[in-house]
Amino acid sequence: DTGVSQNPRHKITKRGQNVTFRCDPISEHNRLYWYRQTLGQGPEFLTYFQNEAQLEKSRLLSDRFSAERPKGSFSTLEIQRTEQGDSAMYLCASSFRLAGGPVYEQYFGPGTRLTVT
Amino acid sequence: TQLLEQSPQFLSIQEGENLTVYCNSSSVFSSLQWYRQEPGEGPVLLVTVVTGGEVKKLKRLTFQFGDARKDSSLHITAAQTGDTGLYLCAGAQYGQNFVFGPGTRLSVLP
Repeated sequence: DTGVSQNPRHKITKRGQNVTFRCDPISEHNRLYWYRQTLGQGPEFLTYFQNEAQLEKSRLLSDRFSAERPKGSFSTLEIQRTEQGDSAMYLCASSFRLAGGPVYEQYFGPGTRLTVT
Repeated sequence: TQLLEQSPQFLSIQEGENLTVYCNSSSVFSSLQWYRQEPGEGPVLLVTVVTGGEVKKLKRLTFQFGDARKDSSLHITAAQTGDTGLYLCAGAQYGQNFVFGPGTRLSVLP
């Protein structure tokens, strides 16, 4: 396995359009996370899944954002009616539980850079 | 709300110098991770620390988790230009998601 992959790597869209990003996690990892990162900031948590169940969503997450993970494998993040403020790097990470305790270790994909014009 | 602070925000040093960056919080974490991120790429995991007082070494990098599991430091010995990047710390509490600090942007000049 070559790690977490994300597609597309870059997306330019016009304000008001819908966009969808895909994340393929490391195959044996049961948790999958979505983050958003703007210039000069650390990643901001959006949502995460354990298998196919979406366990947590950020309270800051607009209802224009939705994520799915059918069958507990790949995940998609959709943004409806994009706004210029949505321009950011969208990062996906998958994680597994370290043996012997409740500690998870996460690995990131290369990200999808969204530009809304 | 958990909050992680990192210092310094920016650091520019000459190749061969030593440096330490810090990650601090008022919250207790079950684990803490350090990442390095290069422009246009995702963060790359460097280390996970779990036990209070734990010290881990990765070649020229030394990571320490505070005794109370609220803070951590990363020390780089004899920095190289390849160490340039954004260093992020991320803390996790039991059963919860990760929270990231804003990062320390390191520039190592030749």
